[in-house]
Amino acid sequence: GESVGLHLPTLSVQEGDNSIINCAYSNSASDYFIWYKQESGKGPQFIIDIRSNMDKRQGQRVTVLLNKTVKHLSLQIAATQPGDSAVYFCAENAGGTSYGKLTFGQGTILTVHP
Amino acid sequence: DSGVTQTPKHLITATGQRVTLRCSPRSGDLSVYWYQQSLDQGLQFLIQYYNGEERAKGNILERFSAQQFPDLHSELNLSSLELGDSALYFCASSEQALNTGELFFGEGSRLTVL
Repeated sequence: GESVGLHLPTLSVQEGDNSIINCAYSNSASDYFIWYKQESGKGPQFIIDIRSNMDKRQGQRVTVLLNKTVKHLSLQIAATQPGDSAVYFCAENAGGTSYGKLTFGQGTILTVHP
Repeated sequence: DSGVTQTPKHLITATGQRVTLRCSPRSGDLSVYWYQQSLDQGLQFLIQYYNGEERAKGNILERFSAQQFPDLHSELNLSSLELGDSALYFCASSEQALNTGELFFGEGSRLTVL
């Protein structure tokens, strides 16, 4: 089946820098996208979501950009902190009856150096 | 703390055996989801229950089954276990609204099949 994939498996940044995590999706029927963060030993934690009728959505220190033309999703983290170190997953949903039925990407490991 | 409780945290068993994983969702959440996380397959959706009824199904093996009880807790039953079933099994819950992918994940049950 179609799946969400990531360009880069790892990303290392310095504390205070901005981070950009990219994700490519292949299912053109997907209309809802979500970013999750998973810290070591914990379950995934919701960060932000965006629906296909939007190009950009901002949260606290995070921005998600959606480019439907090239099927690309990105997560921008401003002023990255050591506590942001984690694995970041993009996920997609093709709608239907369950928005929680998500297809997750492989994940990107973000390491923030103090 | 997401508010979702999973037991047991760790489980070691032998091939051919059967295990039951238990999940208590956040107070008031009607939806419960089960996900499997393994090194080779990543995070995979298994099944969703909403207020006691099966709502959505993923690539869940026939050897696996789940149910949600009247008190909204859920159990995932894994039988005739194989080595490849070794994985982290996450339970997640969400608010009553169905049009959200904001899931609250527990810390997972790590299953090791020897």
